This record gives sequence, C-alpha cells and structure tokens, in this order.
Amino acid sequence: KAGVTQTPRYLIKTRGQQVTLSCSPISGHRSVSWYQQTPGQGLQFLFEYFSETQRNKGNFPGRFSGRQFSNSRSEMNVSTLELGDSALYLCASSLSQGAHVNEKLFFGSGTQLSVL
Amino acid sequence: TQLLEQSPQFLSIQEGENLTVYCNSSSVFSSLQWYRQEPGEGPVLLVTVVTGGEVKKLKRLTFQFGDARKDSSLHITAAQPGDTGLYLCAGAGQGTYKYIFGTGTRLKVLA
Repeated sequence: KAGVTQTPRYLIKTRGQQVTLSCSPISGHRSVSWYQQTPGQGLQFLFEYFSETQRNKGNFPGRFSGRQFSNSRSEMNVSTLELGDSALYLCASSLSQGAHVNEKLFFGSGTQLSVL
Repeated sequence: TQLLEQSPQFLSIQEGENLTVYCNSSSVFSSLQWYRQEPGEGPVLLVTVVTGGEVKKLKRLTFQFGDARKDSSLHITAAQPGDTGLYLCAGAGQGTYKYIFGTGTRLKVLA
C-alpha cells in the first residue's frame, strides 16, 4: 500500500512569488491535513479537508489556502511568499476526520520550501 | 488556546541509558499521541493513549497518560542509537478536527 506522497520534495522561491504544493493521500483516506514545521515554532496546523470541504483552519494569514479534489488529493497554495514562509510543509492523511479518537495520521515526507 | 509543552527540548545520552520525555498542558485532551520523526521524513505514529492513567508499552518504550488527561510521558529503557529522532506529542483538540502538536524533544543517542 503506497504511503502519502508529497511533491515536490524541495522548492526554492523568491519573495513575492507564489507556490503550489501537492499531496496524494493513502488510497481510501478521505481526510488530508496540512502542517507547517519550523525549528522555532514546531508543527503548526494549517488546515484540514474532508470530502473536498475545509473542516478546520489554523491561525495563518489568507495567503495560505488549500483545496481537495474528488479523488482526495490535496493542494496548498501560498501567495506572495515571505522569508518567514521557509519551512517544511507536511501533509497527513487519515481514514475519516482528523483528531477523531484513535485516528491515525500518516504523514508524507514533506516539501522543504526555501524562500530567498 | 490549547498548548502542549514538551521537556526537555534537547537530550543527548549514551547508549544504554534510560530517559523520560514529558508532554504537559493546562487543557484536557480526549487523547494523546506520540510520534517520532527522523531527519528528512514525516512523523510516524508510535502510540495513542485515550484513557486517563493508561499505560502502554511498545518494546522498550513506555507511554503514560495522566489521570486528568492533561499530560503524558514517554520513557525509554536502555536507549539505542536507533531511538535518535524528534519525539512529538499531539493532542486531539476538543470539538475540532485538528491535532495540536507539542514543541518536540530532540533525542540523540550516542553509541
């Protein structure tokens, strides 16, 4: 069974540009969550999608957006990149809705974004 | 706002030593999970604890959920270099669909 696939693995952008990251969940998983990981802030929740609907959103500016397609694949977009957006962006998939009791999150290897 | 504080932040020990990592909060969580993350990879789930006072063992790792479901600990017996990594606790936010992750404990076990 294939795991969670995130593309690209590495990305280098300059300030002001925009970026789109992709996440393919484990087959059969309908929930996809996105997290930002930085050395200073740790893992911060961005948003969670279930059946193409955003169920929850973290405390990030509107420059961060996402969507989920009918096949459960998800994308997140960051517009007008800032230096502080440099981070590892992780996607996690689960069977139903994230944070349900005993719900297991399966993480991808992440996309390392560097903003110059 | 629900927060999870982990201590210590960094830990460097010799192979064979024992260690304990703590995960604390002032909020009650319906469940807590522990993950380990290795460089260049995403976190991998180790265990989920649900009941206050629950103790779970995974080989040399022992996980405990506090009676009040506000804290948890991870104890490793006879640490090995393969235990090296970032350990993260995560709590299920009440009434939400998200997990709140702790600040992390970076463990290095020296051979």
